[in-house]
Amino acid sequence: DTAVSQTPKYLVTQMGNDKSIKCEQNLGHDTMYWYKQDSKKFLKIMFSYNNKELIINETVPNRFSPKSPDKAHLNLHINSLELGDSAVYFCASSQTDYYGYTFGSGTRLTVV
Amino acid sequence: ELKVEQNPLFLSMQEGKNYTIYCNYSTTSDRLYWYRQDPGKSLESLFVLLSNGAVKQEGRLMASLDTKARLSTLHITAAVHDLSATYFCAVLNNFNKFYFGSGTKLNVKP
Repeated sequence: DTAVSQTPKYLVTQMGNDKSIKCEQNLGHDTMYWYKQDSKKFLKIMFSYNNKELIINETVPNRFSPKSPDKAHLNLHINSLELGDSAVYFCASSQTDYYGYTFGSGTRLTVV
Repeated sequence: ELKVEQNPLFLSMQEGKNYTIYCNYSTTSDRLYWYRQDPGKSLESLFVLLSNGAVKQEGRLMASLDTKARLSTLHITAAVHDLSATYFCAVLNNFNKFYFGSGTKLNVKP
């Protein structure tokens, strides 16, 4: 029973398209995150939601819009995709500092 | 912004050898985490260090935290091929934001 699940796992799309990535966690955590991992494996936070409320919004193009319909779900919608958006996007959730984050398996986005 | 630096970035070692990965960070924090990532996979939590002097061990890996020096180490004892992966340290700041190091890619050769 997967704790943090993301779909799709792979996403190949053309420049200019709009796409969404979905994330769901069944851990009962209050906080969810989106991270971007670039080709050099560097991880950078994009957004964080606590109980459906946006609490961290890093300097990310406004083509990226997170949506949290409830505290178990955090989706990422990307408009007008660009080549530079190609990366692996990880969803994560947490409850307390003690355990850190639980990560999803990642979505590899390739923009062609 | 909190900076987290890991070194080395790449580490190739023989099985049976010992080595240490270092993680330095730029501002005060007493919450440090180590993760492992296998190629094409997600990040797996290894250690959570929440106080100065904390030391945790799991198998051939041991992590420690010195908050005064702003330094954490991940020590590998008698490495085996199964430990080959990329290891990340991450520091949590007072605003509950994780800052990750750039990762150390470890290759253990038989």
